[in-house]
This record gives sequence, C-alpha cells and structure tokens, in this order.
Amino acid sequence: NAGVTQTPKFQVLKTGQSMTLQCAQDMNHEYMSWYRQDPGMGLRLIHYSVGAGITDQGEVPNGYNVSRSTTEDFPLRLLSAAPSQTSVYFCASTPGASPYNEQFFGPGTRLTVL
Amino acid sequence: AQTVTQSQPEMSVQEAETVTLSCTYDTSENNYYLFWYKQPPSRQMILVIRQEAYKQQNATENRFSVNFQKAAKSFSLKISDSQLGDTAMYFCAYGRRGSQGNLIFGKGTKLSVKP
Repeated sequence: NAGVTQTPKFQVLKTGQSMTLQCAQDMNHEYMSWYRQDPGMGLRLIHYSVGAGITDQGEVPNGYNVSRSTTEDFPLRLLSAAPSQTSVYFCASTPGASPYNEQFFGPGTRLTVL
Repeated sequence: AQTVTQSQPEMSVQEAETVTLSCTYDTSENNYYLFWYKQPPSRQMILVIRQEAYKQQNATENRFSVNFQKAAKSFSLKISDSQLGDTAMYFCAYGRRGSQGNLIFGKGTKLSVKP
C-alpha cells in the first residue's frame, strides 16, 4: 500500500491563480480530511469527507473547495490564491467515518502564494 | 469553544532519559478523545498515543505513556528511555466524541533529544 499520497510536494502561485492539490489513499478509508499548518501553529481543519459524495466544512474553509467523487481521491481546490493561503497542506485518512481512529497523514504540500 | 494549550514551545532531553510534555485543554463535554501526534523533520504526522475520556486507565504504547487527569483537564505525555529518533514536534489534539469534524490541535512542543 502506498498509504496517503499528495501531489505536488511544492508549489508557488501568484495571487489570483487557481490550482488543485491532489490527495489519494489506497486503504479504502471512509474518512478523509484536509488540514493546513502555519508556522508556530497546530493543524487546522479545512474540509472533511465521511464518504464518497459527502463533504463538509471544517474550521477554516474560506477560499477552498473540495469534492469526493470516489473513496480514493479527495482533491482540494484553491479558487483564487491569496498570500494568506501560504501554508503547508496535509491530507489525512482514517478507517471508518470518524476522525477519532488513527489518522494517516500524507507527506504534505508546501504552498507559497506571492 | 474547545482549546488545547501546550505551554512548552521547546524542550530538550538527554538520550536515555525521561521527559514529560504538558498539554491542557478546555471543554464542557464529557465524552471526547485526546491524542498525541509526532511530526519529525520529515514532516510526516504520526499518531503516538490515543486516550478515550471515559477510560480511567492511562494509555501506554511501549516507551510512551500519558498521565490523563480528567478533572484537571490535563493530558501529559511521558517519553521514557528517550532516543535520537524521538526528536520531533509533538502535538496534543482534542476531539469531541460524536462529532465528525474537528480535531483541535495545540501549537506543539519541539523536542530535541541530545546524544
């Protein structure tokens, strides 16, 4: 199993550009989530999904969209990038429809918005 | 709103010694989960240990154990026989049972294990 994979590992955007961060897992996990990690901060939840076709907002959803058309994939879209979205983004998955089992994290995407 | 506080931004310990990382949280809920996650320099987040609030017994995982004081809302992590590979950021996190959403993370403690 590859676990949770994220692409790209690094990305630089200009203000106003859009892009999609990819996340995939091959463990047949129902629950998937996106977090952002800013310097000196813990992780903050952006969006999550408890299964294919079901998504919901987390703590900091503004400026981001998600969809979950398959169990495996959970892409995160930045609609119009802003410097405040410069961060490291982590995707995670967990068996069952709850985040309270062990979450398996991807390696992260470091995003810089100029 | 629930909050998680880690009061030690940085700590260091000699190899083979024991270190305790502090975490306190604020909640009015009775059923919840608490976690310690480790983030080594590779950036990969790894679960260290998990505690369910209704369980009075403190969780242990090999060299890692917790001191869970529910009334005091305290959840400290003890690392015994520290190893160089334990060098990492450690995050305490809280999750309300029955909620499908947030884990609330603390700001982390940077632990350095010195040879």
